[in-house]
Amino acid sequence: DGGITQSPKYLFRKEGQNVTLSCEQNLNHDAMYWYRQDPGQGLRLIYYSQIVNDFQKGDIAEGYSVSREKKESFPLTVTSAQKNPTAFYLCASSGQESTEAFFGQGTRLTVV
Amino acid sequence: DAKTTQPTSMDCAEGRAANLPCNHSTISGNEYVYWYRQIHSQGPQYIIHGLKNNETNEMASLIITEDRKSSTLILPHATLRDTAVYYCIVRVAPHQTGANNLFFGTGTRLTVIP
Repeated sequence: DGGITQSPKYLFRKEGQNVTLSCEQNLNHDAMYWYRQDPGQGLRLIYYSQIVNDFQKGDIAEGYSVSREKKESFPLTVTSAQKNPTAFYLCASSGQESTEAFFGQGTRLTVV
Repeated sequence: DAKTTQPTSMDCAEGRAANLPCNHSTISGNEYVYWYRQIHSQGPQYIIHGLKNNETNEMASLIITEDRKSSTLILPHATLRDTAVYYCIVRVAPHQTGANNLFFGTGTRLTVIP
């Protein structure tokens, strides 16, 4: 069953700890994206990657890091430098053959 | 830098047509208009997209003005399940350079009323 999977759905961490959110796709898409969404707000782009071993900063990259070692995977690390990490995080992918972007179901991160 | 402007919220009576406007006055010639919707706490779902011609699929219709500076998404017979936030974005086609900047704004929160 093809798609894009984010895990876990809910994540709790203590303040000051780094945490890594998983995003995997089996759609053979070249491009992958990470967004952050705060309550009542739209999606803000954190990072995106057009190809393996390459990624670009989005609008709000500070306090986040990513890697793209495999085409299928684009993990996001929320570092202790991110001042307000509690949010809903969405991963998406798109390919040259597809006209649309596909989104995962999101990870809700709560930092206490 | 979402490049689109949408009303913050709209209401629509169940069974009636929902018309959601979007302004994209700075759209480039090679940019498409895409619509997505997001039901609470889920990932956004693709609805429809178009370049300059009107488009229709099983979910909705997309009307793009001749100057391409605005568009309207039409849900012909809104149901309670259509209550969601609707995002209008512009982007180049996936195979073109610069295609990978998907910028979303705050969208329109559509509430379908029984």
